[in-house]
Amino acid sequence: DIQMTQSPSTLSASVGDRVTITCRANQTIGSWLAWYQQKPGKAPKLLMYKASILESGVSSRFSGSGSGTEFTLTISSLQPDDFATYHCQQYNSPMYTFGQGTKLEIK
Amino acid sequence: QVQLQQWGAGLLKPSETLSLTCAVYGGSFSGYYWSWIRQSAEKGLEWIGEINHSGTTKYNPSLESRVSVDVDPSKNQFSLKLTSVTAADMGIYYCARRRLRSRGACFEYWGQGTVVTVSS
Repeated sequence: DIQMTQSPSTLSASVGDRVTITCRANQTIGSWLAWYQQKPGKAPKLLMYKASILESGVSSRFSGSGSGTEFTLTISSLQPDDFATYHCQQYNSPMYTFGQGTKLEIK
Repeated sequence: QVQLQQWGAGLLKPSETLSLTCAVYGGSFSGYYWSWIRQSAEKGLEWIGEINHSGTTKYNPSLESRVSVDVDPSKNQFSLKLTSVTAADMGIYYCARRRLRSRGACFEYWGQGTVVTVSS
């Protein structure tokens, strides 16, 4: 199985900060990576796919990069609505696996 | 606007069978894969299995012996059965629409989630 590891597990930041979350795969997955945002009590929301393509309607403050085994999600200027948990998800095998999540907290 | 609405019993006893159904409103039912995903504090998000409109299925190997996903295209619905549940199966279960690989093989629409508790 392809394992996805996110870091950090928790990130404390302030409104206006630029933050980066990393997702690593234990084997190459090309660009088959998606990012999701999840708020308490809600289902995940798709933010990015194919590592760097912004989903329609998602703020351009979000950007993604990477290929192979290392990927990043960057939020350029944190807004209050951005404090949530972020998950990565890979598809380069017959099944789909997610990272364990990164909780973005207000400092 | 695509909406997924799911329902099913959320309180089960050990060894019982979990049954959930998801109805799809809006958009095309064919041309996509329809998945079940669960979430727990211990394992995070875990993909369970999926089906397309013609009934082709794919399952997570770790759950395959206990899982079945079915589809009723006439009602734009799909369902999940998970047999012999234990406390390890507790969590929030979501239905979701997966895009084809050409558009990223990601989950773009999700149901509201069903909390599943297993207790004797």
